[in-house]
Amino acid sequence: KAGVTQTPRYLIKTRGQQVTLSCSPISGHRSVSWYQQTPGQGLQFLFEYFSETQRNKGNFPGRFSGRQFSNSRSEMNVSTLELGDSALYLCASSPDSFNSPLHFGNGTRLTVT
Amino acid sequence: DQQVKQNSPSLSVQEGRISILNCDYTNSMFDYFLWYKKYPAEGPTFLISISSIKDKNEDGRFTVFLNKSAKHLSLHIVPSQPGDSAVYFCAAMRVTGGGNKLTFGTGTQLKVEL
Repeated sequence: KAGVTQTPRYLIKTRGQQVTLSCSPISGHRSVSWYQQTPGQGLQFLFEYFSETQRNKGNFPGRFSGRQFSNSRSEMNVSTLELGDSALYLCASSPDSFNSPLHFGNGTRLTVT
Repeated sequence: DQQVKQNSPSLSVQEGRISILNCDYTNSMFDYFLWYKKYPAEGPTFLISISSIKDKNEDGRFTVFLNKSAKHLSLHIVPSQPGDSAVYFCAAMRVTGGGNKLTFGTGTQLKVEL
C-alpha cells in the first residue's frame, strides 16, 4: 500500500503570498489531519477532515484553511504568508477505526522570505 | 499549556543496552497514547500505541508502559541499536471525544552509540 503522499516537498514563497499544499492519504483512509512543525513550537495540530467535513480545528488564525475532496485527498491553504509560517507541514491519515494510529507523510517544507 | 511533556530533550545510550524514554501528561481525558519516531526531513513514523484500559503493550523490541494514576508513560527499547537514533515523540488523544487530534510532546533525541 502506498503511504501518505504530500506535494510539493519544498516550497519558497514571499511574505504576503498565498500557498496551497496537497495531501493524498493512504487508500481507504477517510480521516486526514494537518500538523505544523517548527523548532520553537514542536508539532501543532492544525485541523482534521473526515468525509469532506472539518471535524476538529486547532488554534491557528483564519489564514490557515483546508478542505477535503470526495476521494479523501486534502489541501491546505495559507493566505497572506508571514515569516513565522515557515515550517514543515505534515499531513496524516487514518482509517478512523477505534484506536487506529495516524500515519504521516514526509511533509512539505515551506520557507517564507 | 503543554498538556504532553517530554522533559528530557536528549538521551544517549550504548548499543545493546535499554533505552527508556519518558512522557508525562496533564489531561486526564486522554485515552489513547502513541509513540512516533522521526528522522530529519521525514514525517513521524508510528512505533507503538497503548489504550488507557491497558498498562503495557509490547511489540518486538518496543514496550510502552502506562501509569494512569501518575499520568506517565514510558517507551522501552531493548536492545537499543544504532538505527534507533532519532527523535522520539510521545502523543496523546481523546478517542472517545471523536476525531483524530494528536497532542504531541516536544520530543527526545535518542542517540545510540557503538
